[in-house]
Order: sequence, then structure tokens, then C-alpha cells
Amino acid sequence: EAQVTQNPRYLITVTGKKLTVTCSQNMNHEYMSWYRQDPGLGLRQIYYSMNVEVTDKGDVPEGYKVSRKEKRNFPLILESPSPNQTSLYFCASSSRRTGSGTQYFGPGTRLLVL
Amino acid sequence: AQSVTQLDSQVPVFEEAPVELRCNYSSSVSVYLFWYVQYPNQGLQLLLKYLSGSTLVKGINGFEAEFNKSQTSFHLRKPSVHISDTAEYFCAATSGTYKYIFGTGTRLKVLA
Repeated sequence: EAQVTQNPRYLITVTGKKLTVTCSQNMNHEYMSWYRQDPGLGLRQIYYSMNVEVTDKGDVPEGYKVSRKEKRNFPLILESPSPNQTSLYFCASSSRRTGSGTQYFGPGTRLLVL
Repeated sequence: AQSVTQLDSQVPVFEEAPVELRCNYSSSVSVYLFWYVQYPNQGLQLLLKYLSGSTLVKGINGFEAEFNKSQTSFHLRKPSVHISDTAEYFCAATSGTYKYIFGTGTRLKVLA
């Protein structure tokens, strides 16, 4: 089944404790992206990747890191999480090299930073 | 800078009634426009998209949207809603780069 998977689905952590949220897709998509969803703000793009080893900042990259060493994986790293990073995170992938492709979203990771 | 505005944060509507969810975008260049739906506790899935060509776009589950360049709008419509349409709907735009801008979402509540 074609899908985007994220792990973990739920995470509670404390300020400053490094964490990684994994994202994997099995559709051979070149493009992958991370979003955060907050009430009243919709989805905001954190980082995106056009292909292996090619990444760029979205609208809210502060406090996050990403890497794209393999085509199927695009982990999101929070090196020193803070309470304002409490949010619902989505990973997405797309096959089009331009921005016109349909994005396929993962199920989301709900993060609480105490 | 590109922006997407969804004018209504919540829209209640009775079952079998028509509904329109509004979306306006701002951009100085051509855009690709999307509507996504998010059911409770799930990720987003594509309803429909406008890339070029016919301004009336038909999507899944009986939804359609009309691209209006002069009014910079891309409103979503359905002639008769069902209880199962209760969800949050997001309008999104991209100018062909890899940066996507989403609206703040509209919660559609279908009442029996």
C-alpha cells in the first residue's frame, strides 16, 4: 500500500531533550516536506526537500533540522525542544519536480514539550 | 509575498443543503491551487486541484471548485452535503516552487 509513515505518533518530552521524528514514504517520491499544524494557524511549512541531499527552509524553520540521505526518508530533528514547539506535525511527499503535484500526507505526530 | 485566506473558520450547515467554503489567494505570479480535507485524527488528503485549463475543477466526494483569476478566489462547493463531510478543509497554494502556503482552515459541521 502506498503510504507515508511517521513515528512516533505521540510523544511527550521535556525542554532541551533532543528528539527525532521519522518520516518514510514508499512511493519513490522526490519531494518531501514537513509541516506543523496549530489551532487558528493552519499548516505551516517547516522544511522541504526536492531530492536526496537537497533541502531548503519553509516559513518556520527555527529550532528544527532535517536531513535527506535516502530518497524514502526525511527525519525531523529537534535538537533542543521548547514548549512553543508543542504541535501536530505532518510529513508529506509528492512525485512532481515542480510544485504542482499532489502531496500525500502521513498520519501526523502529536508532540508535547513540557 | 504569497498568502491564502480562508474567510470562515467554521461553517455549520444542515444535511442535504448546499455549501460553499471560501478561499482567496494573493500572488503576483501564476499559482497552483489545492483543497485538502482532514477528517478527525487523520492526515490531509487531496480533494481537488487547479493547475491550468478549465476554471471549474471537479474533485472527489462530489466537491468542485472554481478558479477566478480576477477575484483571486478558489471557492469550494458541494450541492448537497452529508454527515460524513464533517471535517476541516484547507485551501493551499504554490507558485510552482516547492514552497506551499496553507490557509487557516474551515471546519465544516454538517447537522442532521
